[in-house]
Amino acid sequence: EAGVVQSPRYKIIEKKQPVAFWCNPISGHNTLYWYRQNLGQGPELLIRYENEEAVDDSQLPKDRFSAERLKGVDSTLKIQPAELGDSAVYLCASSLTSNQPQHFGDGTRLSIL
Amino acid sequence: GENVEQHPSTLSVQEGDSAVIKCTYSDSASNYFPWYKQELGKRPQLIIDIRSNVGEKKDQRIAVTLNKTAKHFSLHITETQPEDSAVYFCAASSNTGKLIFGQGTTLQVKP
Repeated sequence: EAGVVQSPRYKIIEKKQPVAFWCNPISGHNTLYWYRQNLGQGPELLIRYENEEAVDDSQLPKDRFSAERLKGVDSTLKIQPAELGDSAVYLCASSLTSNQPQHFGDGTRLSIL
Repeated sequence: GENVEQHPSTLSVQEGDSAVIKCTYSDSASNYFPWYKQELGKRPQLIIDIRSNVGEKKDQRIAVTLNKTAKHFSLHITETQPEDSAVYFCAASSNTGKLIFGQGTTLQVKP
């Protein structure tokens, strides 16, 4: 079974530029999560999807971050414009349904210059 | 608000010894407690989990215990090996599925 696939693995951009991350969850998993992991810390939830509906986006900085999950499968997370403090690893995870084991992708390591 | 405290932040043991990592949670609605192992530059990997209707769960050399009254849960690794060296994260969630992670424990197993 293929795991959660994310791309790109690494992204380096200058501040104020836009950036997008892509996630393909495990086949059949209805719930998809985006987390941000700062260096030396645990992941923090940004947004959670049940199929194509965002059911928890309370931690998403909506002035510059946006996300979508078209057709309830793949998802993209966008930052526009990026700020220096956005440097982190952005992790995608999926689970069969809410409160089932979550499986993570390799993440995208974002560096802002 | 929701919070998970994890201790210790670093742990160094000799190969073959046991390692114990402890977590406490604040949200009494929490009912699912996974543990993740994360090697440098890699994804968090689920190694064991426990639900609130169970007090203990074991899988080979790893075990997790849960004390709902005290809101404590712990990870126990026996017969540690150098490949167990990594950062370990505990987490807690309620029926919402929102995982609240601890701050992580860096485990070093010395050969």
